[in-house]
Amino acid sequence: GQQVMQIPQYQHVQEGEDFTTYCNSSTTLSNIQWYKQRPGGHPVFLIQLVKSGEVKKQKRLTFQFGEAKKNSSLHITATQTTDVGTYFCAANFGNEKLTFGTGTRLTIIP
Amino acid sequence: DTAVSQTPKYLVTQMGNDKSIKCEQNLGHDTMYWYKQDSKKFLKIMFSYNNKELIINETVPNRFSPKSPDKAHLNLHINSLELGDSAVYFCASNLRGNTEAFFGQGTRLTVV
Repeated sequence: GQQVMQIPQYQHVQEGEDFTTYCNSSTTLSNIQWYKQRPGGHPVFLIQLVKSGEVKKQKRLTFQFGEAKKNSSLHITATQTTDVGTYFCAANFGNEKLTFGTGTRLTIIP
Repeated sequence: DTAVSQTPKYLVTQMGNDKSIKCEQNLGHDTMYWYKQDSKKFLKIMFSYNNKELIINETVPNRFSPKSPDKAHLNLHINSLELGDSAVYFCASNLRGNTEAFFGQGTRLTVV
């Protein structure tokens, strides 16, 4: 089936350190989205990547889409306590269904 | 001005009961979804409706029956609730074509 593997499952970082989560698919994606879910909250859209090799930035967040459109990453520079939450990638395989990755739960040590 | 609203937010019920969760969106979207998030935080799509028409129906027990009276509403009825149905259920909506999805605040269902 169409699956998206996301690693790591958990990440604990010291405040100020960087953080990266990765999504991988065995098949080519039409596009990929990223969401953030705060503890006790609901997923909130961050960004969508469509083009091969695309790189987008939102302040301290950098999103990349692989050249083959099979993988993506989210990198946070100098984490802050407000970055706490679970980050999900959501892949579109061209079938109008968003398939969510397993998520990476980020905790920050102050 | 909640964009996607679900009711109730919490639902505690006994095994064997039947319950419904309601969802409404005021964003003018044409596509609505139900997702289930288990205790490990995995988000799995259950159903999707576009303009009241069912377009995605994942492998979900037929005890779960969605209903979309119009494109702004998508309800979920669950018959004969089981312990394994305990989870957070999220409603979401977007415009067809895989644009940004907006999620409701979730309904935490606990079956005892």
